[in-house]
Amino acid sequence: EAGVAQSPRYKIIEKRQSVAFWCNPISGHATLYWYQQILGQGPKLLIQFQNNGVVDDSQLPKDRFSAERLKGVDSTLKIQPAKLEDSAVYLCASSLGALRDIQYFGAGTRLSVL
Amino acid sequence: DQQVKQNSPSLSVQEGRISILNCDYTNSMFDYFLWYKKYPAEGPTFLISISSIKDKNEDGRFTVFLNKSAKHLSLHIVPSQPGDSAVYFCAVYSGGSNYKLTFGKGTLLTVNP
Repeated sequence: EAGVAQSPRYKIIEKRQSVAFWCNPISGHATLYWYQQILGQGPKLLIQFQNNGVVDDSQLPKDRFSAERLKGVDSTLKIQPAKLEDSAVYLCASSLGALRDIQYFGAGTRLSVL
Repeated sequence: DQQVKQNSPSLSVQEGRISILNCDYTNSMFDYFLWYKKYPAEGPTFLISISSIKDKNEDGRFTVFLNKSAKHLSLHIVPSQPGDSAVYFCAVYSGGSNYKLTFGKGTLLTVNP
């Protein structure tokens, strides 16, 4: 069974530029999550989708971050414009459902904002 | 404020000995607890979980203990192997209508041959 796929693996941009990350969850998983992991911290949930609807985006900085889940499968996370403090690893995860299901993570995208 | 605390940033043990990783939480609404393991340049992978109705769950070399009155859980690895060297995250699901997973900061375990 293929795991959660993310691209790109690494991205370096200058502040005020825009960037997008892509995620393909495990086939059949209804729930998709985007996390931000800053160095030395645990992953922090940014947004959670159930199929193509948003369940929780309370910690998403909506003035600069946006996310969508196309047809309830793939998802993209965008930052525009980027700030220095956005430097982090962005992790995508998926689960079968949302009720305490095990979340399976991709390898992440490491973003450096200069 | 941190709702999930892993107070030891790192732990070093000898191969074959027991590794004990600790986690404290503050919210009594938390009702399902997980441990994830993370190798460098990889995403976290699920290791073991425990529900609040239990106080112990075992899977091979890995055992998780839950002390609800102390709001404390621990992960025991026996015997420890060099391949266990990784960052271990404690994560908890809250009860209620929104099952959000909250992670601790992680503990770097190094198992020396």
